[in-house]
Amino acid sequence: GAGVSQSPSNKVTEKGKDVELRCDPISGHTALYWYRQSLGQGLEFLIYFQGNSAPDKSGLPSDRFSAERTGGSVSTLTIQRTQQEDSAVYLCASSVRVSGNTEAFFGQGTRLTVV
Amino acid sequence: GNSVTQMEGPVTLSEEAFLTINCTYTATGYPSLFWYVQYPGEGLQLLLKATKADDKGSNKGFEATYRKETTSFHLEKGSVQVSDSAVYFCALIPTSGTYKYIFGTGTRLKVLA
Repeated sequence: GAGVSQSPSNKVTEKGKDVELRCDPISGHTALYWYRQSLGQGLEFLIYFQGNSAPDKSGLPSDRFSAERTGGSVSTLTIQRTQQEDSAVYLCASSVRVSGNTEAFFGQGTRLTVV
Repeated sequence: GNSVTQMEGPVTLSEEAFLTINCTYTATGYPSLFWYVQYPGEGLQLLLKATKADDKGSNKGFEATYRKETTSFHLEKGSVQVSDSAVYFCALIPTSGTYKYIFGTGTRLKVLA
């Protein structure tokens, strides 16, 4: 596709359920990033991928959060046993390569609401 | 560690007013610096960037100069329009170590007609 695509765009889930968020990066982009944006807050880094490996996953808040990337393309962020504090907009971005001066292209995000 | 500090908003201006949104950073080495903008209902998009000291990034009438001596990257526009109303994020990416973008908290700009 022309841009970074995220699905679903909105997700309402009950506390304690597991959720999967999907990101389709721009074709050919080797770097993929996940961020979280809570109401009134900045962007909180979660994890980034270079190809299928994750050199930095230091931002994952707890072991309930995990992410994978397959085929150097699609990535899935999984949150197990969701809690209300997980409610946020989850943003995915991709860039041509991992480097110090390349532009990241963002998707529209998935708005997660845990009730 | 690496961090970005932005002025808090919201910033409310009248159309054609001069805009400055302050951004300072802490980083080792020479990071690349970015301004991203998030218009209502849309995703983040790159506004401008600068990759080395004294570089000036510019786009859509906005400018920002990479100041190593003051570790700053302030965003300016000479005459804002209602359509500039958005949230603006300052960001950096290190040039070594872990290549993750580090964002400020964002500054909401509202321009009144």
